[in-house]
Formats: sequence, structure tokens, C-alpha cells
Amino acid sequence: EVQLVESGGGLVQPGGSLRLSCAASGFTVSSNYMSWVRQAPGKGLEWVSVIYSGGSTYYADSVKGRFTISRHNSKNTLYLQMNSLRAEDTAVYYCARVYCSSTSCYAGRGLYFDYWGQGTLVTVSS
Amino acid sequence: DIVMTQTPLSLSVTPGQPASISCKSSQSLLHSDGKTYLYWYLQKPGQSPQLLIYEVSNRFSGVPDRFSGSGSGTDFTLKISRVEAEDVGVYYCMQSIQPLQFTFGPGTKVDIK
Repeated sequence: EVQLVESGGGLVQPGGSLRLSCAASGFTVSSNYMSWVRQAPGKGLEWVSVIYSGGSTYYADSVKGRFTISRHNSKNTLYLQMNSLRAEDTAVYYCARVYCSSTSCYAGRGLYFDYWGQGTLVTVSS
Repeated sequence: DIVMTQTPLSLSVTPGQPASISCKSSQSLLHSDGKTYLYWYLQKPGQSPQLLIYEVSNRFSGVPDRFSGSGSGTDFTLKISRVEAEDVGVYYCMQSIQPLQFTFGPGTKVDIK
């Protein structure tokens, strides 16, 4: 059974840093594309970042240069290092396994989120 | 960037009755490979989103057959043949034809009358 369990959320001051973790079971993180998606309070879903099985990483413009996605293969865990946090980064952060059904997965087309974790809340406030 | 719109934004349904949600994209989601990259998710109250439908009309594993997806190009529909109490929540459509531009619709909130 595929399971994703996020942790690491909390209250942080503007300009601060936080690292989120996502422990996976039932599949191998390093063999899959993995992503972070966030949801601001009462708002919709916003894609944040993806890491390919080959290690390539990509980010939404809103977090580029501030967030870093990574993984620890032996721990089967996904991470999101968040620096220079802003009030607008306040959200529930979900990790998700990414499935690709296209012939151009490397180009980022035809990717979708098939399994999601329960989310962890990040609040950026002074 | 592709913009996704959904109608209605809110829907109240009597149990056992059908429900339909429309999703429109600002550009065609049909790729030259023949696939259409449109997906549907349901976020139940207090839960994370769950995948219902992939590539317009394919039900994900474990999704009841009362859920069906249809459409083409820029116009898509999610139908629930007979709504049950457990179907309440917010339904989102999403596109992924644009590389690394996952775009979700605003969501349609479904509740029970």
C-alpha cells in the first residue's frame, strides 16, 4: 500500500527557514517522480516543485531560488527546504507521487499526482 | 499559461440524484501524441486531494463507477450518476499538457441537500 507521511511544518517568522519531510512506504521514492503541492488556507491547489527519478528538479516561479526539493534514497524520504519564507507561503504542504503517462515525461508533460500525503501546515507570521 | 475554469462553483445535491461539473480550459488539452491531459481530483473535508479520473475518462484504482469523465479539447465534464453522502467535498480539474505548468481549476464544492 502506498503511503506518504509529511512532517516538519510549524510556525516560522518571515525570512526564516523550515524543512519539510515526506516519508514514503509501499514504493521507492528514487524510482518515481515526486512533487510538493500546497494549499493556502481556504484556497485552491498550487504546484510547488517536482524531482524526477533521474534527479532533475523544477520549481514554480513563486518559490524558485528559495525552495529546494531533494530526497534521501536509503530513507525513502522526500524533502522540501524552504528559505526566505514569506507570509504568502503559508499553506498546507502536500507531498505527492507523480505518475507520467506521456512519451515526454522528461519534458514535464502528462504528469499527474496519483497518491498524496495528509499534508503539513506551514504558517509564516511574526 | 492555460487557465482552468469550473462551473458551478457550488452544488447542492439530493442523495441518489446525479450531479455534473464542467471544466473548461483556455487552450486545447489534446496533445499530438493523441492523449488529452485532463484530470479530476476530489478533496473531502479535512482530507488531502485524491485522484478520481486521469486523461479525461479513466477511473483511478478504487474509484466507484458512479464517477465518469468525458469531454475533449477544451470542454470537460465530471458526472456522478447517483450522489452519495461520502461524495461531498471540493472537486478540482487539472491540466498538465503545458510542461511543468500544472494548473488546477478553482474547485467546485459539492454538498448534500
